[in-house]
Amino acid sequence: EDKVVQSPLSLVVHEGDTVTLNCSYEVTNFRSLLWYKQEKKAPTFLFMLTSSGIEKKSGRLSSILDKKELFSILNITATQTGDSAVYLCAVEAEVYGGSQGNLIFGKGTKLSVKP
Amino acid sequence: DSGVTQTPKHLITATGQRVTLRCSPRSGDLSVYWYQQSLDQGLQFLIQYYNGEERAKGNILERFSAQQFPDLHSELNLSSLELGDSALYFCASSEGAGAGRNIQYFGAGTRLSVL
Repeated sequence: EDKVVQSPLSLVVHEGDTVTLNCSYEVTNFRSLLWYKQEKKAPTFLFMLTSSGIEKKSGRLSSILDKKELFSILNITATQTGDSAVYLCAVEAEVYGGSQGNLIFGKGTKLSVKP
Repeated sequence: DSGVTQTPKHLITATGQRVTLRCSPRSGDLSVYWYQQSLDQGLQFLIQYYNGEERAKGNILERFSAQQFPDLHSELNLSSLELGDSALYFCASSEGAGAGRNIQYFGAGTRLSVL
């Protein structure tokens, strides 16, 4: 059965700290891995990763994928209180001989950043 | 704002009733996905439509059904409601097939409370 496991489930840090969130997966016909940030309601898209070893960056956030070891990490440097949220990892599996598939989500990491 | 519109925001109903949740995808997106999010289960994929046709099914109960209309909006119908159906229901949309075109953008969700 396809699954996505995130760790830790929750994390409390202070402003200015650097955090690393982990995501491991077991999926048949892997196509891509996505990270989302969920604050109050809708998950908002952060990154899509398809190739190993290529780091994606956006400001203080960065992410990398290892397709051999089947995991990804999301790094947040110089954390701010506004980074407090649940970070979701999702994996897309290929279906229908090349067309897109649905996302399989992990349970998320709840990050709390204290002032 | 993701561009995905869901109505209503909140819905309170009684067991045994039937409700309809509505979703308008981002302009130009052909795929619509429905997810259920509950506290203990995380985000669970229900069903996907692409350009009016059902494409993939997840753990969707037989009491639930969906459709996508010619104008690409979608509706999720939940019938014979039970207390356990209380959850946040998300709709997401993406461009469609092809690498890099499957980033899913989420609506704000409909919170369903079954009393």
